Amino acid sequence: GEDVEQSLFLSVREGDSSVINCTYTDSSSTYLYWYKQEPGAGLQLLTYIFSNMDMKQDQRLTVLLNKKDKHLSLRIADTQTGDSAIYFCAERRSGGSYIPTFGRGTSLIVHP
Amino acid sequence: DVKVTQSSRYLVKRTGEKVFLECVQDMDHENMFWYRQDPGLGLRLIYFSYDVKMKEKGDIPEGYSVSREKKERFSLILESASTNQTSMYLCASTVPGVKTQYFGPGTRLLVL
Repeated sequence: GEDVEQSLFLSVREGDSSVINCTYTDSSSTYLYWYKQEPGAGLQLLTYIFSNMDMKQDQRLTVLLNKKDKHLSLRIADTQTGDSAIYFCAERRSGGSYIPTFGRGTSLIVHP
Repeated sequence: DVKVTQSSRYLVKRTGEKVFLECVQDMDHENMFWYRQDPGLGLRLIYFSYDVKMKEKGDIPEGYSVSREKKERFSLILESASTNQTSMYLCASTVPGVKTQYFGPGTRLLVL
């Protein structure tokens, strides 16, 4: 199976909360990242969480990490049409490798 | 702010042509990467470089080569373009410490 898995699509109504989920396989992951890609653009780092943390909050974004289940989630509160994008989860493992492993991305569609 | 720029946003080439994609970063990063992004497949690593004149194959290096003559510049070369190389190409460089990647805006290449 893949190292980092995400569902491909999520559709939400404007103003609702969005929750994008990600699972990973390597328990030695040190950093976990969320990137956002708007149409026609490159990836932009949204936030990251170190593996010894359970939660990180940054304005409308909340990242939850469950190390036991190897599950990462990104919650976007009060989702707006400008949040429509592809969201990539990525992990970086311990052991010196600096190359992250990306999921396939979740397309978030926000409708009125 | 870290800036990663790519020489072209859109390129149209013919089968068999030699194609150069250029990437420049302005933050003195050692590590630079080339990915291709295809719908449903996410990001796949083609090549990376951890220093000048150093290069390492990623997951899908076939049909590509790279050049890193200066620290700030990492070039991806398609020796003889083929239609299956039509894709979005993303360059990235790494921030020391948490090793987050900064991405360029991408080059959308169409090979006819």
